[in-house]
Order: sequence, then structure tokens, then C-alpha cells
Amino acid sequence: GAGVSQTPSNKVTEKGKYVELRCDPISGHTALYWYRQSLGQGPEFLIYFQGTGAADDSGLPNDRFFAVRPEGSVSTLKIQRTERGDSAVYLCASSLMGGPQETQYFGPGTRLLVL
Amino acid sequence: AQSVTQPDIHITVSEGASLELRCNYSYGATPYLFWYVQSPGQGLQLLLKYFSGDTLVQGIKGFEAEFKRSQSSFNLRKPSVHWSDAAEYFCAVGSPNSGYALNFGKGTSLLVTP
Repeated sequence: GAGVSQTPSNKVTEKGKYVELRCDPISGHTALYWYRQSLGQGPEFLIYFQGTGAADDSGLPNDRFFAVRPEGSVSTLKIQRTERGDSAVYLCASSLMGGPQETQYFGPGTRLLVL
Repeated sequence: AQSVTQPDIHITVSEGASLELRCNYSYGATPYLFWYVQSPGQGLQLLLKYFSGDTLVQGIKGFEAEFKRSQSSFNLRKPSVHWSDAAEYFCAVGSPNSGYALNFGKGTSLLVTP
């Protein structure tokens, strides 16, 4: 079956603009995660969805970042008033139910560059 | 809070040589530990994971890892490295408070020489 997909694969924007990043999880996976990976670093947790609700958004860096998952499948990460420091690879992952023994399957990421 | 430390930023090994990548964790209870590999242009792929039981865990691609509670370590090993193993390796611990979202180390970049 299909894995986790993310679009776009690359996004270049200007400082101050608004961007949306999309994640399509594996079908049937109720748990969805967003991570951010800066150059030379490991991925950092941003937000976790269980179904349609954001169960933990403690990793979002500030209120310019917001994510939704209205129907419990596709998720969109939204960044307002982008800053150069937002440049990174944004990774999405999904797992069956969000349990401790489950594997998280990662998408290829969206590489965001803010000029 | 859980944390993961990967002391080696870069490691170079010769093809056919053995490999050990270090990972130390900080966690109050029994951790859920993972090793992922990230190849250029590829997504993160799970190599192996540990939750409980046998402390020596076998994974894909000939990798294994050993959980040592006394040393708070979960080192990754491979007896004989292939050129295709060149990649970035990440150790991670699962956080029970966030749907077991992963807390990653900074990664170790592996270079394999002929």
C-alpha cells in the first residue's frame, strides 16, 4: 500500500508570507505526527493528532504555527508570517493508533526555504 | 523529560569493518527506544526498536542493538558494513505523553570508505 506522502516536496517563500504543508498518512492510521528537522539536527516534535483532534501541540514553537486534521486523515500544517528561521524540512509520520509499540512511518518531508 | 544523546557526529569505517554507533538516553522509567536511518533523499526508516524483554534486539539490514539499563545506553551495531550503509542514523526515545512521539538525538553521519 501507499506510504505517507507530503506535498509539496519543496517550497520557497518570502519572509512574511503564509504557507501550507500537506500530509497524507497511511490509510487507517489514526495517529499523525508533525516534526521539524533543521540542518544538522534530528527531527523535533511539533504536534500529535489522534483522529481529528490535536492531542498534544506542545512542540509548536509559537502561535504562528497551526495544524489541522478535519476529517481524521489528511493534515495541513500552516505557518503564518514566515521567518527565515522557519526554514527546515517538515516531516510527517503516522502510526496505527499512537501506541508505544507501534512503528511511526515517515513521509519524505517538505523542504521549506524562507528567503 | 526524556533526552537522547548521540556522542559521535561523524563516523568513518571501512567497508567490511564492524560498526558501533552510540546512544545514551535520559528517562525515568523503562524507555521505548528506536533506531532510524535516513539516506539522502529518503525518508526516515525504522531499523529496530526496544520496549521490553530480551535486551539484544535484531533489526533490518543486519543491524542489532543492545539495551543496557545500567549504562543508559542503546548502541547500534553491525558486524560488517556495506557501502550502502552510508547514511544518517538517529536514535530516538518515545514519549508516552504525546502519543509516543519520538524524541530524537542529533544523529550520527556514517561514511563508508572502500
